[in-house]
Amino acid sequence: NAGVTQTPKFQVLKTGQSMTLQCAQDMNHNSMYWYRQDPGMGLRLIYYSASEGTTDKGEVPNGYNVSRLNKREFSLRLESAAPSQTSVYFCASSGDRGYGYTFGSGTRLTVV
Amino acid sequence: GDSVTQMEGPVTLSEEAFLTINCTYTATGYPSLFWYVQYPGEGLQLLLKATKADDKGSNKGFEATYRKETTSFHLEKGSVQVSDSAVYFCALNLNSGNTPLVFGKGTRLSVIA
Repeated sequence: NAGVTQTPKFQVLKTGQSMTLQCAQDMNHNSMYWYRQDPGMGLRLIYYSASEGTTDKGEVPNGYNVSRLNKREFSLRLESAAPSQTSVYFCASSGDRGYGYTFGSGTRLTVV
Repeated sequence: GDSVTQMEGPVTLSEEAFLTINCTYTATGYPSLFWYVQYPGEGLQLLLKATKADDKGSNKGFEATYRKETTSFHLEKGSVQVSDSAVYFCALNLNSGNTPLVFGKGTRLSVIA
């Protein structure tokens, strides 16, 4: 099925552990994004990649790193997880500007 | 900077009631405007969009008109159903440059039978 695939769907980490959230799209989109969603805060942009080989910080980049591995894949890494990073993480991709984004189904991360 | 302001929820309506969710925006250029919907446990899905002033986006009985004079893009539906219960997000995207979508904080809608 065409779309954006995120793995894993659920994860529990201990404070200080590291992990990588994976995202892949098969729509040949140039741009990819990572958001986090917290209650009452809406969606906040962590990092984005406007094209293969480029990445830029969003609104809340601290504590995260990203890699645009190729045109299809855009991963998000937490080097040392903190309870404040407990959230639902969404990856999205977009092609032409006027067509909006396609979102993955999310990764629910809990840091204890 | 660019921003989107939505009415705060939650909004609770009876089935077949009329729905309006207000959305206003601030942008330095000429944005495209979007409504996304998030059903429980899922990611966001594009509901409708409008790319220039006076355009009307529509989908699944929902409508929104791009009003440049009032910088608004209010979402409406004439008769809501229980299956419309979800969180609705208004968003904008400038039509130039490479800036990402800017989202509102979302409005939770609950429709009761």
